[in-house]
Amino acid sequence: DTGVSQNPRHKITKRGQNVTFRCDPISEHNRLYWYRQTLGQGPEFLTYFQNEAQLEKSRLLSDRFSAERPKGSFSTLEIQRTEQGDSAMYLCASSLDQSYGYTFGSGTRLTVV
Amino acid sequence: DQQVKQNSPSLSVQEGRISILNCDYTNSMFDYFLWYKKYPAEGPTFLISISSIKDKNEDGRFTVFLNKSAKHLSLHIVPSQPGDSAVYFCAATTNTGKLIFGQGTTLQVKP
Repeated sequence: DTGVSQNPRHKITKRGQNVTFRCDPISEHNRLYWYRQTLGQGPEFLTYFQNEAQLEKSRLLSDRFSAERPKGSFSTLEIQRTEQGDSAMYLCASSLDQSYGYTFGSGTRLTVV
Repeated sequence: DQQVKQNSPSLSVQEGRISILNCDYTNSMFDYFLWYKKYPAEGPTFLISISSIKDKNEDGRFTVFLNKSAKHLSLHIVPSQPGDSAVYFCAATTNTGKLIFGQGTTLQVKP
């Protein structure tokens, strides 16, 4: 197990298009988190899953955003009708239960043109 | 509502000297505090943490101090090394496991 894997690493899309990102957590980790980071800011919480259940969603997660974690394994984050303001680094992290110091992936950098 | 704040966007120190990174928070319900380090094009990496019931935690060259009455924590790096140059994020959490991050401080350690 090589840690948290995110794909793709980079995505450039035209405004109005839909995009989907994937996160593969560390296999024994039951919690999975999505964060978004923009330039000059710290990561902002978007949502998290315990196994397959989505337990919390930030108000930052508008109805254009949806996340899934089927079978409690990998997760996908979809953004519909992308806007330029969606340009950011999208980070995934995983942890075992509520242990602190979770492991982040390298992120997917989204650029909406 | 910025619950965790890092008011210094950048810090520059000489190799071998002490680096002190500061962080303030507003939510008294936070029960755990963490520091993450981030290099460009990589995700944040966990560095050190401290429980709210303690006032100091040390791990090698890294020490975190917590002052609950002032709602302030700091990360000390002694001695600083050029490889420590990175962005450092302070984060806090309640028992939900969700982390609230500060804006980050870019540390440059000059040889």
